[in-house]
Amino acid sequence: AQSVSQHNHHVILSEAASLELGCNYSYGGTVNLFWYVQYPGQHLQLLLKYFSGDPLVKGIKGFEAEFIKSKFSFNLRKPSVQWSDTAEYFCAVNALGGGADGLTFGKGTHLIIQP
Amino acid sequence: EPEVTQTPSHQVTQMGQEVILRCVPISNHLYFYWYRQILGQKVEFLVSFYNNEISEKSEIFDDQFSVERPDGSNFTLKIRSTKLEDSAMYFCAGGRASTDTQYFGPGTRLTVL
Repeated sequence: AQSVSQHNHHVILSEAASLELGCNYSYGGTVNLFWYVQYPGQHLQLLLKYFSGDPLVKGIKGFEAEFIKSKFSFNLRKPSVQWSDTAEYFCAVNALGGGADGLTFGKGTHLIIQP
Repeated sequence: EPEVTQTPSHQVTQMGQEVILRCVPISNHLYFYWYRQILGQKVEFLVSFYNNEISEKSEIFDDQFSVERPDGSNFTLKIRSTKLEDSAMYFCAGGRASTDTQYFGPGTRLTVL
């Protein structure tokens, strides 16, 4: 069965700092990869996704992520964070052919941006 | 932009009672899902539903759980006899294909006393 690890559970940054949130997954086959964000009091929203093609994907609000197949990683980055980026960030995978079409989530990273 | 809606936003129930959580997915979606998130833990997959039947379920989704799409719009999760450990946030999601992006509802917070 697949699993997802997010190594940073709580991250505190100042505005304009650069952000990188780690995500590693375990599954030997083909995967679709997602980052979801949950702003305070709101529901899970898709930030970006990778299905195939260019391993560097760009999402909403200036976020991007890079799929590195050899490292089983899909780290989320943003060059300059804003106070409004304060939220919970979840990495998720959908293992194609893995027998389950539900998403497997990481534990989430709580990001706090200090003004 | 269409959104997934869920009702109620918060449900409080006594242990042993039945609860039904409701979801209205986006109209052109064909695949539907329930997830739960126990406080402080990760979002966990419960069940997927396609073509009016369960296509996949996790170990969590035991005989106490059931899903149905009674009228072509609502998608419900029923817990027959709630336990304290069923207290969690329950999210409904939908998508156009099984491997496509899943769009989530705002969740129902279930509290079992």
